Amino acid sequence: GQQLNQSPQSMFIQEGEDVSMNCTSSSIFNTWLWYKQDPGEGPVLLIALYKAGELTSNGRLTAQFGITRKDSFLNISASIPSDVGIYFCAGLGSGTYKYIFGTGTRLKVLA
Amino acid sequence: GAVVSQHPSWVICKSGTSVKIECRSLDFQATTMFWYRQFPKQSLMLMATSNEGSKATYEQGVEKDKFLINHASLTLSTLTVTSAHPEDSSFYICSARDGQGGDTIYFGEGSWLTVV
Repeated sequence: GQQLNQSPQSMFIQEGEDVSMNCTSSSIFNTWLWYKQDPGEGPVLLIALYKAGELTSNGRLTAQFGITRKDSFLNISASIPSDVGIYFCAGLGSGTYKYIFGTGTRLKVLA
Repeated sequence: GAVVSQHPSWVICKSGTSVKIECRSLDFQATTMFWYRQFPKQSLMLMATSNEGSKATYEQGVEKDKFLINHASLTLSTLTVTSAHPEDSSFYICSARDGQGGDTIYFGEGSWLTVV
């Protein structure tokens, strides 16, 4: 099925560094969601965005709904080892309940 | 946040048998639930959309007679893998849409199925 382009695919960073990842789409979305998935578990919702330009924080995490409504960004500040995992974005267009998922960003934090 | 519970967390079954996986929304009503399959190191692959009180909508390439979905109540959807084969071994995840919460979807913990 259709997937969003998520970048980067993977990244190794040092503990304490900031992390940025993004998702882009060729179509407009009305909702963007960001999830984190630990190995062998289901994705856990991190941040939900419902309005273009919206900037929302959840602790060290900040996500933004792009003005064009075709992209979204997730930033993690001062990364810690437990930030390791796979981060997925999900976008919802109009007239549907089916979310489109990003390909995922694998984050590895070096202590 | 909202809670979605999936059961069992893992199951081992013999080839040819059927396995049922349950997905429950614990603190909200979910008129729509989704079932996914996830292969190692890959993103979620949507299998079907489960609608309360009506037939599920299957994605292209997913056999509806093999993956039976029932959404009998606003808080429960079940996925039954019929006549399971080893190639059906996978991680299956459900999600539920909170229609009162901005259409946000919440995921279950996932179920590991191993067919031997």
